[in-house]
Amino acid sequence: EAGVAQSPRYKIIEKRQSVAFWCNPISGHATLYWYQQILGQGPKLLIQFQNNGVVDDSQLPKDRFSAERLKGVDSTLKIQPAKLEDSAVYLCASSRPSGRAYTGELFFGEGSRLTVL
Amino acid sequence: AQTVTQSQPEMSVQEAETVTLSCTYDTSESDYYLFWYKQPPSRQMILVIRQEAYKQQNATENRFSVNFQKAAKSFSLKISDSQLGDAAMYFCAYRSAVIFGTLTFGKGTMLLVSP
Repeated sequence: EAGVAQSPRYKIIEKRQSVAFWCNPISGHATLYWYQQILGQGPKLLIQFQNNGVVDDSQLPKDRFSAERLKGVDSTLKIQPAKLEDSAVYLCASSRPSGRAYTGELFFGEGSRLTVL
Repeated sequence: AQTVTQSQPEMSVQEAETVTLSCTYDTSESDYYLFWYKQPPSRQMILVIRQEAYKQQNATENRFSVNFQKAAKSFSLKISDSQLGDAAMYFCAYRSAVIFGTLTFGKGTMLLVSP
């Protein structure tokens, strides 16, 4: 079974520029998550999709971050314009819905490391 | 909102010895999952062990076991016979058992393993 795929692995940009990250979840996983992990901290949820609908985006800085999941499969996370404090690893994860029939486990991609200069 | 607290920023252990990582959480729910994830430096986050709140028996996966105390809202991870490859950041995480429950992480504990 193929894992969660993310690209690019690394990206360096100047502040005020834009950047986009792509994620392809595990086949059959309807739930997709984007997390932000700042160095030395635990991941923080940015947005959660169920198929192509948003379940939770309460911590997404909507003035600069946007995300979409077209056709309920791949997803793109965009930052525009980037700030210095956006330097982090952006993790994509997927899962089956939580509940008694499933394990509740999230499967993570390798992450996309963003450096904003 | 649920919170997860890991009070040990860093722990050290020698090879072949046992170490316990602590985690507490706060929730008003009765049905949920608890996880320990391992994140080696610059590498992918992977699941170490999982516990379902409705199960009283503590989960075990080879050298990894948990001590789940539901009333105390405590979920510690014990690593036996530590190996150099166990060195990583370990995150405790909570997920509600409701169908769209999100995963909430603690801040992590860095485990150092010395020969």
